[in-house]
Amino acid sequence: TQLLEQSPQFLSIQEGENLTVYCNSSSVFSSLQWYRQEPGEGPVLLVTVVTGGEVKKLKRLTFQFGDARKDSSLHITAAQPGDTGLYLCAGPLYGGATNKLIFGTGTLLAVQP
Amino acid sequence: DSGVTQTPKHLITATGQRVTLRCSPRSGDLSVYWYQQSLDQGLQFLIQYYNGEERAKGNILERFSAQQFPDLHSELNLSSLELGDSALYFCASSWTGNEQFFGPGTRLTVL
Repeated sequence: TQLLEQSPQFLSIQEGENLTVYCNSSSVFSSLQWYRQEPGEGPVLLVTVVTGGEVKKLKRLTFQFGDARKDSSLHITAAQPGDTGLYLCAGPLYGGATNKLIFGTGTLLAVQP
Repeated sequence: DSGVTQTPKHLITATGQRVTLRCSPRSGDLSVYWYQQSLDQGLQFLIQYYNGEERAKGNILERFSAQQFPDLHSELNLSSLELGDSALYFCASSWTGNEQFFGPGTRLTVL
């Protein structure tokens, strides 16, 4: 059983569409991070959310941390082919070591031109 | 470019063999983390070193070991390789511990 479940697992959309990716857990996390990984590359950190209810925006990407710090979402507005990749959420468990990141199951996004 | 380097990029070997993967962290980062990424298990934390000392262990098999050297580069040693060890192995480094920067990975194929 994965501690961090992401949905959907796969998503194929047309350029210009909006989408939301979810990251859910029954456990509380100290913070949550979102990474994007492209084929043949390592994950690249996009954002870290720390406070319950926090919303962060990175250009067309909006990240939200749930009030109870058990879930997070990533919303992409007007998706572009460059957004294609594997999106991973990750975080340290609340009360656990901050250096031990637990990664989500991943969402593979394909944006068609 | 994250500033983390890993060698080799690809590695093909046979079952029962031993291999060593190498990682150089970003300049100034004292922590190095090793991860394994496979299709069925996703990205799994293996082990962390901080300034030469083991700091945390995850799902690392006894056949696997790691070390961090005085110049802060790290090596992950995988022995008695099995088919199921085929995966991408990533190294990450950090200064804060919470935000980690990943290298490009080593793709290991065990035949």
